[in-house]
Amino acid sequence: AQSVTQPDIHITVSEGASLELRCNYSYGATPYLFWYVQSPGQGLQLLLKYFSGDTLVQGIKGFEAEFKRSQSSFNLRKPSVHWSDAAEYFCAVGAYNQGGKLIFGQGTELSVKP
Amino acid sequence: GAVVSQHPSRVICKSGTSVKIECRSLDFQATTMFWYRQFPKQSLMLMATSNEGSKATYEQGVEKDKFLINHASLTLSTLTVTSAHPEDSSFYICSARVEGSYGYTFGSGTRLTVV
Repeated sequence: AQSVTQPDIHITVSEGASLELRCNYSYGATPYLFWYVQSPGQGLQLLLKYFSGDTLVQGIKGFEAEFKRSQSSFNLRKPSVHWSDAAEYFCAVGAYNQGGKLIFGQGTELSVKP
Repeated sequence: GAVVSQHPSRVICKSGTSVKIECRSLDFQATTMFWYRQFPKQSLMLMATSNEGSKATYEQGVEKDKFLINHASLTLSTLTVTSAHPEDSSFYICSARVEGSYGYTFGSGTRLTVV
């Protein structure tokens, strides 16, 4: 069955430090992968997406993610975290063979220390 | 870019009443709309998928008679929570597929509180 796993429920990093949020997926076909960010009580904002081509994708707010098919991973990275990056981050896979629904991971809550 | 407007953002209703949540695609036609539910500190769980002009497809375990979904036009989908109870209190979010882009756009969510 298709699934997305985000192993880290909560991560705390210091402002200015680098960040990596992990995401592993299980999907039988070519995955379409997404990272979203959600602030409390808000909807979801797309950070970046991968459909094909270059496996390193650049997103908004200085985020990037690398698709590694051999590891079934799509980890999100940022070289220097800002206090405003504190939020909930969701990895998702687009199940286009199931009506196009998005399957979400459990989410990773990011806290940023001053 | 493609925008989905979701209303209301917050609603408080009494137990036993019904609440309607609307999602409108403002600058594109949303042939497919997804409705999610999110409990505090949890992920988004898909409730149902609606396609314009046809019946919604509900995920396993979702009561179709309680969560009525209507997608009567290419720009409007609604979710009605019927006979709401406190356990229906949650954050509801809609999402539309943007045709031709494999992308999705999300509404800003509705915080439903049933008292």
